[in-house]
Amino acid sequence: RKEVEQDPGPFNVPEGATVAFNCTYSNSASQSFFWYRQDCRKEPKLLMSVYSSGNEDGRFTAQLNRASQYISLLIRDSKLSDSATYLCVVEGGGFKTIFGAGTRLFVKA
Amino acid sequence: NAGVTQTPKFRILKIGQSMTLQCTQDMNHNYMYWYRQDPGMGLKLIYYSVGAGITDKGEVPNGYNVSRSTTEDFPLRLELAAPSQTSVYFCASRPDRENTIYFGEGSWLTVV
Repeated sequence: RKEVEQDPGPFNVPEGATVAFNCTYSNSASQSFFWYRQDCRKEPKLLMSVYSSGNEDGRFTAQLNRASQYISLLIRDSKLSDSATYLCVVEGGGFKTIFGAGTRLFVKA
Repeated sequence: NAGVTQTPKFRILKIGQSMTLQCTQDMNHNYMYWYRQDPGMGLKLIYYSVGAGITDKGEVPNGYNVSRSTTEDFPLRLELAAPSQTSVYFCASRPDRENTIYFGEGSWLTVV
């Protein structure tokens, strides 16, 4: 079983739509969780951290369910500029940081 | 603002050749990482280091070696290059008490 698994995508949505991505992780001892965004042929960049209490940053909401070992990212009112690959990232003990395979999002006009 | 610098940016290797991907960061970060990303896939952790003199294997270490003699440098060595090592390689670093991983711009490697 992979350490971090994500929806395979791609997701094709119209502008203004709400889209949700899911991610599961296998190591119950994992300590920190993040969503990164990667544009085509570019390096990944941090989108947001994920906390048990949930956190929101503008149109983006991230949730963590430790009992189910499940992370989610919700994007509301999608923009064309949101088109990218979204990477779920899990950090275990010793700062071993594992990336999921990513979910591609295409937002259409 | 150098950040994380990787060289070379592009390289073509012949099967069986060896090479070293250089990575240096000027932010005094203890944690450094090497990832590879195959076309259309996510990043896979090759090796990581939590400080000078300490390295550990990631998810896909076979065919690679690393060293961390200084805080700044974390080179990745490919011995006996194989076509399966054709990929984009990202070096990254992270400060002790921050969540953000800072990536280099990537090194595109093709083994033919």
